Amino acid sequence: SQKIEQNSEALNIQEGKTATLTCNYTNYSPAYLQWYRQDPGRGPVFLLLIRENEKEKRKERLKVTFDTTLKQSLFHITASQPADSATYLCALLKEYGNKLVFGAGTILRVKS
Amino acid sequence: GAVVSQHPSRVICKSGTSVKIECRSLDFQATTMFWYRQFPKQSLMLMATSNEGSKATYEQGVEKDKFLINHASLTLSTLTVTSAHPEDSSFYICSAIGTHGGNQPQHFGDGTRLSIL
Repeated sequence: SQKIEQNSEALNIQEGKTATLTCNYTNYSPAYLQWYRQDPGRGPVFLLLIRENEKEKRKERLKVTFDTTLKQSLFHITASQPADSATYLCALLKEYGNKLVFGAGTILRVKS
Repeated sequence: GAVVSQHPSRVICKSGTSVKIECRSLDFQATTMFWYRQFPKQSLMLMATSNEGSKATYEQGVEKDKFLINHASLTLSTLTVTSAHPEDSSFYICSAIGTHGGNQPQHFGDGTRLSIL
């Protein structure tokens, strides 16, 4: 069966450290993968998109990698800040069209 | 840019009531809008895909007569939960993509918390 798995346990880190979140998938062959941030009681906000032929993508303090052999994406936040505390969702294109399938998300808590 | 407004943000109503949720793209034209449902600590579950001027496409297991979707213009889609019951209580979120299509990000509204008593 098809699965998207993100760390179910919250990730607690100290301010200034690098946070690394994992997204693993099975029985998908996504053309691209997206990462979103969701704050409590709010809708998700798009962060980064990475295509299957891209190994790495960066945007300011954010970095995403995409390994189609391992079927895994890693999401890094460098020099983390308490304001980065949120739930981070990965999403894959579902087969065709524009439908996305989302992981359950990982809660990140950055402590000062 | 790419702002999506969802209204209302919270609804509390009695069982048997029908509830309408609006999703508007404020600064772009959205040919496609998506409706999701999210339970606490769970992922977004796609309910249906709404294309302007045509019937919505529902995901397996979603009752189209229960969740009525209308996408009458390039900036507005509505979801009506008909004869709502306590099990319909959830967080409903819409998203939209622009006219360019392809592998673009979805722009989400801030969701509607629906509580049926």
